Amino acid sequence: DAGVIQSPRHEVTEMGQEVTLRCKPISGHDYLFWYRQTMMRGLELLIYFNNNVPIDDSGMPEDRFSAKMPNASFSTLKIQPSEPRDSAVYFCASSFAGGGQPQHFGDGTRLSIL
Amino acid sequence: GENVEQHPSTLSVQEGDSAVIKCTYSDSASNYFPWYKQELGKGPQLIIDIRSNVGEKKDQRIAVTLNKTAKHFSLHITETQPEDSAVYFCAASIQDSGYSTLTFGKGTMLLVSP
Repeated sequence: DAGVIQSPRHEVTEMGQEVTLRCKPISGHDYLFWYRQTMMRGLELLIYFNNNVPIDDSGMPEDRFSAKMPNASFSTLKIQPSEPRDSAVYFCASSFAGGGQPQHFGDGTRLSIL
Repeated sequence: GENVEQHPSTLSVQEGDSAVIKCTYSDSASNYFPWYKQELGKGPQLIIDIRSNVGEKKDQRIAVTLNKTAKHFSLHITETQPEDSAVYFCAASIQDSGYSTLTFGKGTMLLVSP
């Protein structure tokens, strides 16, 4: 079975540009999570969706960050405008039924903002 | 909210030795504790999990123990092999039908030397 698929795997862009990260969750999973990983802060939850509806976006650092889930098989995380401090690895994860169910992670997008 | 502390941050062992990673959590309502292994360039992968109605769980060379009274849980890897080298994360969450987020520890980099 295909796991969580993220694209692109690597993104290098200049400060001020718009960045869009994409995620395809595991089919049938009804929860989707976006995380950011840095050496300093570890794994941080940015936002999560249940049945395509955003449930908690309190981890989104600034209004420059936005996330959407237009259907059960696709989600995007957008940064506009991007800044060097946004450089990190961004992970998408999905799970069944929420609480107490394992989350399955994609292999991430390594984002570098110059 | 929940806070998960993980120790040590780095651990070096010789092949064949045992490795132990410890985590503490703050929210007594937490009742689901997964462990993830992250290899270089990959997303975290679930290796074992435990729920609060169980004190210990084993899967081949990996075991996890849970002490709810003390609010700590540990990962034990026996007969370590070089391929066990990775970053390991513990996490805690509340098993609930409505909302589910994992709070992660900061990770332990395990290095197994041949």
